[in-house]
Amino acid sequence: EVVLTQSPATLSLSPGERATLSCRASQSVSKYLAWYQQKPGQAPRLLIYDASNRATGIPARFIGSGSGTDFTLTISSLEPEDFAVYYCQHRSSWPITFGGGTKVEIK
Amino acid sequence: QVQLVESGGGVVQPGRSLRLSCAASGFTFSSYGMHWVRQAPGKGLEWVAVISYDGTNKYYADSVEGRFTISRDNFKNTVYLQMNSLRPEDMAVFYCAKEVRGLSVFEHWGQGTLVTVSS
Repeated sequence: EVVLTQSPATLSLSPGERATLSCRASQSVSKYLAWYQQKPGQAPRLLIYDASNRATGIPARFIGSGSGTDFTLTISSLEPEDFAVYYCQHRSSWPITFGGGTKVEIK
Repeated sequence: QVQLVESGGGVVQPGRSLRLSCAASGFTFSSYGMHWVRQAPGKGLEWVAVISYDGTNKYYADSVEGRFTISRDNFKNTVYLQMNSLRPEDMAVFYCAKEVRGLSVFEHWGQGTLVTVSS
């Protein structure tokens, strides 16, 4: 199975700063990588699919990039509501797997 | 609007069984693959199983293969997860999720149902 490794585990930033989250796959997943945001007590929310496509209603400050084994989620300027845990997920083969998550916390 | 409502969670002893249900509304259920994803307390997300729109194709995580069975009833707009031989490590919030059509990414999620495995 494809192992997704997210880094860093925690990112401490201030509102207005740029956040850069990484997701590395143990083998190529082509472009088939998605990103989710999860806040405490809530279900995850799809942000990005197929590496760079924003889901419906997702603000333009969320930018996905990458292909093959290395992917990045960039939040260009953090808003207060962006502090949450972010997960990557591949769909290139069965089984689907998720990364371990990156927590973006307020510095 | 899309609604997914899970039910069937609860406390169960190790080795016993439980069946989860997910009632869907607000979209053409029979046109979409459906998934179960779980999250152990304080942990990350783990994909569990998928069933294709017509029920002909099913895939499972290695951790549940042979113990869990996913099924659907397109007349009742409901997807199920039959969980047998439950283990303490199966304890989690179980979410059902609707995929983006034809893509195994999860556009809509239920609120989740908690399964506790404990003697």
